[in-house]
Amino acid sequence: SQQGEEDPQALSIQEGENATMNCSYKTSINNLQWYRQNSGRGLVHLILIRSNEREKHSGRLRVTLDTSKKSSSLLITASRAADTASYFCAALHINQGGKLIFGQGTELSVKP
Amino acid sequence: DAGITQSPRHKVTETGTPVTLRCHQTENHRYMYWYRQDPGHGLRLIHYSYGVKDTDKGEVSDGYSVSRSKTEDFLLTLESATSSQTSVYFCAISESGTFSGANVLTFGAGSRLTVL
Repeated sequence: SQQGEEDPQALSIQEGENATMNCSYKTSINNLQWYRQNSGRGLVHLILIRSNEREKHSGRLRVTLDTSKKSSSLLITASRAADTASYFCAALHINQGGKLIFGQGTELSVKP
Repeated sequence: DAGITQSPRHKVTETGTPVTLRCHQTENHRYMYWYRQDPGHGLRLIHYSYGVKDTDKGEVSDGYSVSRSKTEDFLLTLESATSSQTSVYFCAISESGTFSGANVLTFGAGSRLTVL
C-alpha cells in the first residue's frame, strides 16, 4: 500500500501552544497536501507543498517537506480551540497516475 | 461544501441489497472521486472519473461500480451490500487530475452508510 503514516495519531494541547503533526510516505511524490476535517464534515484543503519546495507558510500554518526522508510536518502556531479537528496529509505520488493517497490522520484537540 | 452535494447523507440498509450514492457538482470540474473513510484506515480511493464515461479503479474497488453519464453527476453503486461496506463515503472533485496540475480536492459532506 502507498498509504502514508501520520504521527501522532492523537494530540491534545492547550490553547496558545503550538501543534506539530508529522507525515511519512513511501515513494517519490509530485506534491504533498494537508487537509483538515471537522467532526462530521468533509475534508478541507489547507496547504500544498511541491516536491521542489522545502517550507511553506499560510497564516498560522507552516509546512516543511524533506524528500530525502520522505516526510513532511505541519505546524500550527498559537493554536485555538477552533483548530480542534483531524488533520490529514495526502501525497500525489509520481507513479500513481495523479491520484492522491491519504494518511490515516492526526486527531488534534485544543483545550481552552 | 459549496458546489458539491452528496445524497443520501445517511442510509441504513440490509446485507444483499443494492445501494446507490450520488455525487452532484456545480463546478464543472473534470475529475471526480469516491473515497471511503474508516477508523484506522484514513481515506481510501474507491473509483475515480476523468471525464464523462471515463472511469478507473482505485485502491479498494472490489464490490463497487461507478457511472458518470454527465459531467455533474458521479454515481457509486454497491450491487449487493455487505457489512464490510459500512463506512462514510466521500465524493471529491478537482479541476486537474494529473501532474500538470496541483490536483487539489474539494470534498462533499459525506454519506454515512450502515449495512446490517
